[in-house]
Formats: sequence, C-alpha cells, structure tokens
Amino acid sequence: NAGVTQTPKFRVLKTGQSMTLLCAQDMNHEYMYWYRQDPGMGLRLIHYSVGEGTTAKGEVPDGYNVSRLKKQNFLLGLESAAPSQTSVYFCASSYPGSGLFGAGSRLTVL
Amino acid sequence: TQLLEQSPQFLSIQEGENLTVYCNSSSVFSSLQWYRQEPGEGPVLLVTVVTGGEVKKLKRLTFQFGDARKDSSLHITAAQPGDTGLYLCAGVSSGSARQLTFGSGTQLTVLP
Repeated sequence: NAGVTQTPKFRVLKTGQSMTLLCAQDMNHEYMYWYRQDPGMGLRLIHYSVGEGTTAKGEVPDGYNVSRLKKQNFLLGLESAAPSQTSVYFCASSYPGSGLFGAGSRLTVL
Repeated sequence: TQLLEQSPQFLSIQEGENLTVYCNSSSVFSSLQWYRQEPGEGPVLLVTVVTGGEVKKLKRLTFQFGDARKDSSLHITAAQPGDTGLYLCAGVSSGSARQLTFGSGTQLTVLP
C-alpha cells in the first residue's frame, strides 16, 4: 500500500547517544518533512526537503540533522540525544494541496 | 514566525450536540488545512480550504475559511462518539516549500 513508513516506531536512548529515524515514501513526492509533537504544542517543523539532495531548517532544527540522498527517503539524525528531545516524531510527504503523515516514532531520552 | 491559535484546547460533549472549533492567526496563509489525529497515529487530512470565505462540507463537518484568510472554523453537527479525536488546523505558507504551521490542537471527546 502507498504511504509514508517510519522506522523505528519506538526507541529509548540514554543522554548523549545517537540515532537515526528513517522515513520512506513510495508516492514519488518531492516534498518531505520532519515534525515533532509535544503535549499542548501541536506539531513543530524540524527540517524539510523540497527534493532529492536538498534540505532546509524549520522552526526547531537545533540538535537535529537530516539527509535526503534518495528521493524516497528522508533521514532524521540525533548526534547527541538530550532529554528535551523526548517526543513523538512524524514524517510527512506531500504534493501541492495535500499532506500525508507517517504513524510516528516515539523517542524517549533518559 | 507565523502562529496559529486554536480554541478550545479541550472539549467534552454529549452525543448529538453541536460544536465549533476555532483557528485564528494574525498572518495570512495561502490555504488552511484541518487534520484529525487518533492516539498512536499520524494526522489525517480532512480538508483544505483555499479561497477567502470558502465553505466546505464533509458529511456532518463544515469548514470555513475567513474572508481575510487568517482564520478558520470547524463546525460539527450532531456529534457522535466516532468523532472523538484530536483536531488540528494547519496554515500552509505561500513559499515554495509549502510549510505547515500547526495550531496546538483541540482534543474532542464525545460521550455516548
């Protein structure tokens, strides 16, 4: 089925550890986004990409890096995790007028 | 930074009642989207409104975009328990990246 797939769904890290979240879409969308969702704050944009090989900063980019080496994949990396990065992370891909979200990745940093 | 204020934050009503959720901003958006999110899942797009004053209906849900394209409302008629969920509005930027700015959400609970 076409859609946006995020892996892993759950992860627990210790402060200072690193990890990568993977987002994959099979709809040939140009635009992809990473958001974080925290209670009472809606979703906030971390980084986004408007095409293969491009990335740009969103509203809350500090502490995160991204890469878009292939059109279908958008990776979100945490080089040195901090407790403030405990959140649910959502990836989205889109074409003009629509947005499709993955099911989320719940990250806990101890 | 464009901000969207959504109200109310929480709403608990009885089945059959009507309700309205508001989404307000001081900024103009090229369009505005409404999403519904259930626990453990990502937001699902309900509707996109583009033109100032536009009204769209989706069964018992009515969406309106303000004339100045700064605010929107979602009205649910005769709410049902299946309408329970987190409702999010999101403004779409006019830039080429089409970034979304989300409101903080309205958690709706419809009691049977």
